[in-house]
Amino acid sequence: AQSVAQPEDQVNVAEGNPLTVKCTYSVSGNPYLFWYVQYPNRGLQFLLKYITGDNLVKGSYGFEAEFNKSQTSFHLKKPSALVSDSALYFCAVRSYASGGSYIPTFGRGTSLIVHP
Amino acid sequence: EAGVAQSPRYKIIEKRQSVAFWCNPISGHATLYWYQQILGQGPKLLIQFQNNGVVDDSQLPKDRFSAERLKGVDSTLKIQPAKLEDSAVYLCASNAPRGGLSDEQFFGPGTRLTVL
Repeated sequence: AQSVAQPEDQVNVAEGNPLTVKCTYSVSGNPYLFWYVQYPNRGLQFLLKYITGDNLVKGSYGFEAEFNKSQTSFHLKKPSALVSDSALYFCAVRSYASGGSYIPTFGRGTSLIVHP
Repeated sequence: EAGVAQSPRYKIIEKRQSVAFWCNPISGHATLYWYQQILGQGPKLLIQFQNNGVVDDSQLPKDRFSAERLKGVDSTLKIQPAKLEDSAVYLCASNAPRGGLSDEQFFGPGTRLTVL
């Protein structure tokens, strides 16, 4: 069965500093990896995705993520954090699963808090 | 373009009562998803539709949950009867026209259900 782990419930960073939100995954086939952001009382918004090709993908609002196949990781990064980046971040994976399904699987989320 | 619409935004019911949620996806999106997001957890897929057909409902508690997507556009998710553990946010999402594995999902604002 496929799974996604976000090992940190909360990440705290000062404004202007670089940030990293960690994600590791487990799948039986090739993964399609996604990051979404959720602001209070709103649905999830797509940030970026890795399908194939360059291991470093760039997305919305200055975010980027690095796919590392050997470490089965897809960490979200930003060179300089903004207070407005404070939100809940979800990593998700889709891949072939037993029985022929491709159920999207989400991590439990990481709360990012950027301090002024 | 208009986003994914959901209603109601909030619902409070007593256990053993019935409730229904409505979703209207982005125009032209063939794939529609219903997720359950319990507080402190990531979204969990309940059911996925492709047009008006069910692609995957392996995680839908079929003894009490049902969903339909008549005419392949809007969709309704029903819980009958509700239990305390059904308290959650119910998210609807849709995919870009191809609806493939590599396509990001567009989420609605969700319906927050409280079962007393």
